[in-house]
Amino acid sequence: SQQGEEDPQALSIQEGENATMNCSYKTSINNLQWYRQNSGRGLVHLILIRSNEREKHSGRLRVTLDTSKKSSSLLITASRAADTASYFCATDAGGYSTLTFGKGTMLLVSP
Amino acid sequence: KAGVTQTPRYLIKTRGQQVTLSCSPISGHRSVSWYQQTPGQGLQFLFEYFSETQRNKGNFPGRFSGRQFSNSRSEMNVSTLELGDSALYLCASKTGSSETQYFGPGTRLLVL
Repeated sequence: SQQGEEDPQALSIQEGENATMNCSYKTSINNLQWYRQNSGRGLVHLILIRSNEREKHSGRLRVTLDTSKKSSSLLITASRAADTASYFCATDAGGYSTLTFGKGTMLLVSP
Repeated sequence: KAGVTQTPRYLIKTRGQQVTLSCSPISGHRSVSWYQQTPGQGLQFLFEYFSETQRNKGNFPGRFSGRQFSNSRSEMNVSTLELGDSALYLCASKTGSSETQYFGPGTRLLVL
Protein backbone atom coordinates (compact mmCIF):
# COMPACT_ATOMS: atom_id res chain seq x y z
CA SER A 1 0.00 0.00 0.00
CA GLN A 2 1.11 3.56 -0.57
CA GLN A 3 2.44 5.46 2.43
CA GLY A 4 2.80 8.85 0.82
CA GLU A 5 0.32 10.86 -1.15
CA GLU A 6 1.67 13.60 -3.37
CA ASP A 7 -0.24 16.72 -4.18
CA PRO A 8 -0.86 17.91 -6.81
CA GLN A 9 -0.97 14.90 -9.12
CA ALA A 10 0.08 17.11 -12.02
CA LEU A 11 1.61 20.55 -12.24
CA SER A 12 2.24 22.67 -15.32
CA ILE A 13 4.40 25.81 -15.10
CA GLN A 14 6.57 28.04 -17.25
CA GLU A 15 10.35 28.07 -17.19
CA GLY A 16 11.67 30.34 -14.47
CA GLU A 17 8.70 29.77 -12.16
CA ASN A 18 8.89 27.87 -8.89
CA ALA A 19 7.29 24.45 -8.47
CA THR A 20 6.00 23.20 -5.15
CA MET A 21 4.97 19.61 -4.51
CA ASN A 22 3.56 18.25 -1.29
CA CYS A 23 3.64 14.83 0.28
CA SER A 24 1.67 13.44 3.19
CA TYR A 25 2.33 10.17 4.94
CA LYS A 26 0.69 8.08 7.62
CA THR A 27 3.18 6.44 9.98
CA SER A 28 6.31 7.39 11.87
CA ILE A 29 9.39 7.72 9.73
CA ASN A 30 13.15 7.72 10.07
CA ASN A 31 13.61 9.85 6.96
CA LEU A 32 11.80 11.04 3.88
CA GLN A 33 13.34 11.11 0.43
CA TRP A 34 12.45 12.69 -2.89
CA TYR A 35 13.16 11.02 -6.20
CA ARG A 36 12.76 12.10 -9.82
CA GLN A 37 11.78 9.88 -12.71
CA ASN A 38 12.05 10.83 -16.35
CA SER A 39 9.65 9.20 -18.81
CA GLY A 40 9.19 5.87 -17.02
CA ARG A 41 12.88 5.27 -16.53
CA GLY A 42 14.87 4.70 -13.35
CA LEU A 43 14.51 6.92 -10.31
CA VAL A 44 17.14 9.47 -9.40
CA HIS A 45 17.64 10.36 -5.75
CA LEU A 46 17.28 14.08 -5.14
CA ILE A 47 17.39 14.74 -1.44
CA LEU A 48 16.91 13.08 1.95
CA ILE A 49 15.61 14.75 5.08
CA ARG A 50 15.72 13.04 8.45
CA SER A 51 12.90 13.07 10.95
CA ASN A 52 14.78 15.45 13.26
CA GLU A 53 15.35 18.00 10.47
CA ARG A 54 12.87 20.65 9.41
CA GLU A 55 14.41 22.02 6.24
CA LYS A 56 17.13 21.09 3.81
CA HIS A 57 18.57 22.67 0.67
CA SER A 58 20.39 21.24 -2.31
CA GLY A 59 21.04 23.56 -5.23
CA ARG A 60 17.64 24.71 -6.51
CA LEU A 61 15.82 22.23 -4.26
CA ARG A 62 14.36 23.02 -0.87
CA VAL A 63 12.65 20.37 1.21
CA THR A 64 10.68 20.87 4.38
CA LEU A 65 9.41 18.28 6.80
CA ASP A 66 6.69 18.67 9.41
CA THR A 67 6.50 15.46 11.43
CA SER A 68 3.60 16.74 13.51
CA LYS A 69 1.50 17.05 10.36
CA LYS A 70 3.20 14.08 8.67
CA SER A 71 3.88 16.14 5.59
CA SER A 72 6.74 17.32 3.43
CA SER A 73 7.13 19.74 0.57
CA LEU A 74 9.61 19.95 -2.28
CA LEU A 75 10.28 23.33 -3.82
CA ILE A 76 12.14 23.62 -7.11
CA THR A 77 13.16 27.20 -7.76
CA ALA A 78 13.69 28.78 -11.18
CA SER A 79 12.38 25.69 -13.01
CA ARG A 80 13.86 24.61 -16.31
CA ALA A 81 12.41 22.52 -19.11
CA ALA A 82 14.84 19.78 -18.06
CA ASP A 83 13.01 19.56 -14.71
CA THR A 84 10.04 18.01 -16.53
CA ALA A 85 9.61 14.64 -14.83
CA SER A 86 7.61 12.78 -12.20
CA TYR A 87 8.57 13.43 -8.61
CA PHE A 88 8.04 10.90 -5.84
CA CYS A 89 8.33 11.12 -2.11
CA ALA A 90 9.39 7.97 -0.30
CA THR A 91 9.34 7.28 3.41
CA ASP A 92 11.79 5.12 5.30
CA ALA A 93 10.68 3.81 8.68
CA GLY A 94 14.23 2.79 9.57
CA GLY A 95 15.79 -0.52 10.51
CA TYR A 96 15.41 -3.10 7.82
CA SER A 97 12.33 -1.41 6.47
CA THR A 98 12.06 -0.47 2.84
CA LEU A 99 11.10 2.68 1.03
CA THR A 100 7.38 3.28 0.61
CA PHE A 101 6.57 5.53 -2.32
CA GLY A 102 3.72 7.87 -3.05
CA LYS A 103 2.06 7.99 -6.46
CA GLY A 104 4.02 11.00 -7.59
CA THR A 105 3.53 14.45 -9.05
CA MET A 106 3.98 14.92 -12.80
CA LEU A 107 5.71 18.23 -13.43
CA LEU A 108 5.67 19.84 -16.87
CA VAL A 109 7.89 22.87 -17.36
CA SER A 110 7.23 24.68 -20.63
CA PRO A 111 9.89 26.83 -22.31
CA LYS B 1 31.64 3.81 -10.53
CA ALA B 2 29.24 2.21 -12.92
CA GLY B 3 25.60 2.55 -11.99
CA VAL B 4 23.02 -0.14 -11.41
CA THR B 5 22.43 -2.16 -14.56
CA GLN B 6 19.38 -4.20 -15.42
CA THR B 7 18.91 -6.71 -18.20
CA PRO B 8 17.03 -7.06 -20.36
CA ARG B 9 15.62 -3.57 -20.78
CA TYR B 10 12.49 -4.71 -22.60
CA LEU B 11 10.70 -8.01 -22.61
CA ILE B 12 7.54 -9.36 -24.19
CA LYS B 13 6.05 -12.57 -22.86
CA THR B 14 2.73 -14.36 -23.11
CA ARG B 15 0.45 -15.40 -20.29
CA GLY B 16 1.57 -18.53 -18.49
CA GLN B 17 5.23 -18.12 -19.34
CA GLN B 18 7.91 -17.35 -16.80
CA VAL B 19 10.54 -14.63 -16.88
CA THR B 20 13.85 -13.90 -15.16
CA LEU B 21 15.16 -10.38 -14.74
CA SER B 22 18.71 -9.53 -13.76
CA CYS B 23 20.20 -6.70 -11.74
CA SER B 24 23.86 -5.84 -11.20
CA PRO B 25 24.31 -3.42 -8.29
CA ILE B 26 26.90 -0.71 -7.92
CA SER B 27 30.24 -2.19 -6.94
CA GLY B 28 30.43 -2.54 -3.17
CA HIS B 29 26.68 -2.41 -2.65
CA ARG B 30 25.41 -5.51 -0.89
CA SER B 31 21.74 -4.61 -0.64
CA VAL B 32 19.50 -5.03 -3.66
CA SER B 33 15.80 -4.20 -3.70
CA TRP B 34 13.20 -4.81 -6.37
CA TYR B 35 10.15 -2.70 -7.10
CA GLN B 36 7.22 -3.03 -9.48
CA GLN B 37 5.81 0.12 -11.04
CA THR B 38 2.40 0.19 -12.73
CA PRO B 39 0.13 3.12 -13.62
CA GLY B 40 -2.56 1.84 -11.30
CA GLN B 41 -0.62 0.77 -8.22
CA GLY B 42 2.42 3.00 -8.52
CA LEU B 43 5.73 1.85 -7.07
CA GLN B 44 5.43 -1.24 -4.93
CA PHE B 45 8.18 -3.00 -3.05
CA LEU B 46 8.80 -6.62 -4.02
CA PHE B 47 11.77 -7.80 -1.94
CA GLU B 48 15.20 -6.89 -0.64
CA TYR B 49 18.29 -9.02 -0.52
CA PHE B 50 21.39 -8.44 1.55
CA SER B 51 24.40 -10.74 1.45
CA GLU B 52 22.42 -13.45 -0.38
CA THR B 53 19.60 -13.42 2.21
CA GLN B 54 16.11 -12.11 1.67
CA ARG B 55 15.76 -9.46 4.32
CA ASN B 56 12.34 -8.11 3.47
CA LYS B 57 9.41 -9.06 1.29
CA GLY B 58 6.46 -7.11 -0.04
CA ASN B 59 2.90 -8.22 -0.45
CA PHE B 60 3.16 -10.15 -3.70
CA PRO B 61 2.10 -13.70 -4.52
CA GLY B 62 4.56 -16.57 -4.43
CA ARG B 63 4.87 -16.42 -8.22
CA PHE B 64 7.34 -13.63 -7.59
CA SER B 65 10.68 -14.81 -6.28
CA GLY B 66 14.23 -13.66 -6.22
CA ARG B 67 17.73 -14.50 -5.23
CA GLN B 68 21.07 -12.87 -4.76
CA PHE B 69 24.45 -14.28 -5.65
CA SER B 70 27.74 -14.01 -3.80
CA ASN B 71 28.82 -11.14 -6.07
CA SER B 72 25.64 -9.26 -5.02
CA ARG B 73 24.02 -9.60 -8.43
CA SER B 74 20.35 -10.37 -8.11
CA GLU B 75 17.69 -12.01 -10.19
CA MET B 76 13.96 -11.98 -9.86
CA ASN B 77 11.68 -14.54 -11.39
CA VAL B 78 8.00 -14.38 -12.16
CA SER B 79 6.30 -17.65 -12.97
CA THR B 80 2.95 -18.23 -14.66
CA LEU B 81 2.77 -14.69 -15.97
CA GLU B 82 -0.51 -12.81 -15.87
CA LEU B 83 -1.55 -9.76 -17.87
CA GLY B 84 -1.41 -7.71 -14.69
CA ASP B 85 2.30 -8.44 -14.33
CA SER B 86 2.97 -6.00 -17.17
CA ALA B 87 5.02 -3.31 -15.49
CA LEU B 88 8.34 -1.56 -15.13
CA TYR B 89 10.52 -3.57 -12.76
CA LEU B 90 13.10 -1.48 -10.99
CA CYS B 91 16.12 -2.64 -9.09
CA ALA B 92 17.93 -0.50 -6.55
CA SER B 93 21.13 -1.01 -4.63
CA LYS B 94 22.77 0.53 -1.59
CA THR B 95 25.48 -0.16 0.89
CA GLY B 96 24.39 -1.93 4.05
CA SER B 97 24.34 1.21 6.17
CA SER B 98 23.22 3.74 3.59
CA GLU B 99 19.78 5.30 3.54
CA THR B 100 19.97 6.20 -0.14
CA GLN B 101 19.05 3.73 -2.84
CA TYR B 102 20.41 3.96 -6.36
CA PHE B 103 18.06 2.78 -9.06
CA GLY B 104 18.72 1.08 -12.35
CA PRO B 105 16.92 2.03 -15.59
CA GLY B 106 14.37 -0.74 -15.17
CA THR B 107 13.09 -3.65 -17.22
CA ARG B 108 9.81 -3.04 -18.99
CA LEU B 109 7.81 -6.27 -19.14
CA LEU B 110 4.80 -6.63 -21.38
CA VAL B 111 2.62 -9.70 -20.94
CA LEU B 112 0.31 -10.50 -23.85
